[in-house]
Amino acid sequence: DGGITQSPKYLFRKEGQNVTLSCEQNLNHDAMYWYRQDPGQGLRLIYYSQIVNDFQKGDIAEGYSVSREKKESFPLTVTSAQKNPTAFYLCASSTQADNQPQHFGDGTRLSIL
Amino acid sequence: DAKTTQPPSMDCAEGRAANLPCNHSTISGNEYVYWYRQIHSQGPQYIIHGLKNNETNEMASLIITEDRKSSTLILPHATLRDTAVYYCIVRAPPNNDMRFGAGTRLTVKP
Repeated sequence: DGGITQSPKYLFRKEGQNVTLSCEQNLNHDAMYWYRQDPGQGLRLIYYSQIVNDFQKGDIAEGYSVSREKKESFPLTVTSAQKNPTAFYLCASSTQADNQPQHFGDGTRLSIL
Repeated sequence: DAKTTQPPSMDCAEGRAANLPCNHSTISGNEYVYWYRQIHSQGPQYIIHGLKNNETNEMASLIITEDRKSSTLILPHATLRDTAVYYCIVRAPPNNDMRFGAGTRLTVKP
């Protein structure tokens, strides 16, 4: 089945530690996205990438980094500079056709130890 | 981007049609209406989208008024598994940022 796979489902971070969240898609989509969702709130865009080896900052990129070395993969690193990383992180992908919807993975819940 | 307004919560009896309204009175001509839903602790699930014509797929129907200032998502025969938060989003291409608001919490009751 085609889809978006995020791993791990739950992740714990210690103070001062960088952690990397995985996002893989086999939908042959060009564009990929990372969002953050806090309890009871909507999604906020962290980074997005429309093509391999290129990405752009979203509204809340500070304290995060990404890479896009392969079309299928768009990992997100939560660095120690992100002082409030506890949240639900969602990865999405879409085709480049203008009106096509984004499709989401099942998320990674990150907590601080 | 146009702002959307949805009721915070709705109830629906199992087996009946669920009609979820969305107001987007400031929508522009090139903005599409998208509907997603999110079940607790899962990622948002795409349901349907449209520009100005009514749309139907295996999950739902989308009715957009002629002036495009509001729309209604219809789940024809709601089941308990349809209990979720439903989001109406209005975006113009390229839709690089799907801005989810508070949505409508639909509870389907036996």
